[in-house]
Order: sequence, then C-alpha cells, then structure tokens
Amino acid sequence: DSGVTQTPKHLITATGQRVTLRCSPRSGDLSVYWYQQSLDQGLQFLIHYYNGEERAKGNILERFSAQQFPDLHSELNLSSLELGDSALYFCASTDRGLRNTGELFFGEGSRLTVL
Amino acid sequence: AQSVTQLDSHVSVSEGTPVLLRCNYSSSYSPSLFWYVQHPNKGLQLLLKYTSAATLVKGINGFEAEFKKSETSFHLTKPSAHMSDAAEYFCVVTGFQKLVFGTGTRLLVSP
Repeated sequence: DSGVTQTPKHLITATGQRVTLRCSPRSGDLSVYWYQQSLDQGLQFLIHYYNGEERAKGNILERFSAQQFPDLHSELNLSSLELGDSALYFCASTDRGLRNTGELFFGEGSRLTVL
Repeated sequence: AQSVTQLDSHVSVSEGTPVLLRCNYSSSYSPSLFWYVQHPNKGLQLLLKYTSAATLVKGINGFEAEFKKSETSFHLTKPSAHMSDAAEYFCVVTGFQKLVFGTGTRLLVSP
C-alpha cells in the first residue's frame, strides 16, 4: 500500500460526459502528479501541483483540468469525453523534489472507460 | 529533453534463469534514474533508483541496475527469475518537474 488513494477505481461513462477523479496523497506529501496510461501512448505526464499551486503541465488536453485543495487532495476533471480518453489515470505524490532523490508513490489508478 | 528508451517491449525467461531488461537514457544533465514495476491492475512501485552515488544500485526483490555513463545505459538485472516477477517494468528519468517514463518492458516468466 503506497498510501495514495484514488477514487473511483473504475468508471464507465458516455462520450460527451464529464467526470471527476479524486486523489488523496500520502500524509504530509505536498506534491501531486497526474499521469495517464493508455495502450497507444504509454504513461504520459499530465500535470503537477505543489501545495495548491500548479507547477508543471504536460500533455494535458484543454478539456482536462485539475486542482489541489488546501487539504492537499487533488481532483482531475475530464470533460467532453471522447472514446480516446479511455485510459488508466494515476495520481502520485512525493514529499520532496524529484531531483533530490525523491520518488513518486503511485495510487492504484482510476480506470476510465468511455463508451 | 530527458528521455529513456527501453529496447525490448517483451522479454521471456524461464523461472530460475537470469533477467536482463535494457534501458538507454538521454539527459542534458546528470540524471536521476529509476526502475518502476507495475503488476496487473496495480499502481507502479519503485524497484530502485540511481542518484549519482554508487553506480551499481540494489533494489527490492533481488533486482539491481548498473549506471554506465559511457554507454548511457541503466539496465535492470536479476540473477534468478521468479514467477512473481512477471509484470511490466518501466525505466524512468527525471525531467523538469516530472518523471519521464519509457514505454515499458513486459516480463514473462514461464515455469
């Protein structure tokens, strides 16, 4: 158990809909990362938050948005869903900078299926 | 930009035989390198990490990796495979404010 909790574990929805994925980082971790894992794209970095502030953006679509709340949990909002958004979405947290030997602790992911 | 290339998408071994998963990296500065493992329907777990200390890094479950700057490689090895090692393995390098993942190598272990 990494200590990172993601909900829901599975989600099935239709095209055009909107969903929210939630992540609770490990206790004390200020950094939250979101990654998308799909068969064709592999693991793609989406966005990084540190203590409530956005720090870096990756390949995140404009239809997607995220935020980190004062209690440090984070939400990833996906709207106007398309079939290609079907993927496993991971949240990860860390208590230190990645280049300072930090590692990421991953949740078990939220599997999104868009029909 | 930082990147990693995993040279094999699939590796098949027999239980009890050595494992070699290959990774080459590209980085404009001295990198931190990691190997992560993903078991089916699970999140990713850190196996080991290199952060400019010893070039031979030992990780969990008997895995180790050697950082070779001259070859820009960070191959993962294990002397003797176990059935429970069957999983997807990712070589990872630190980028700007993020980890950059390779495409993964699926390790298959047969009895």
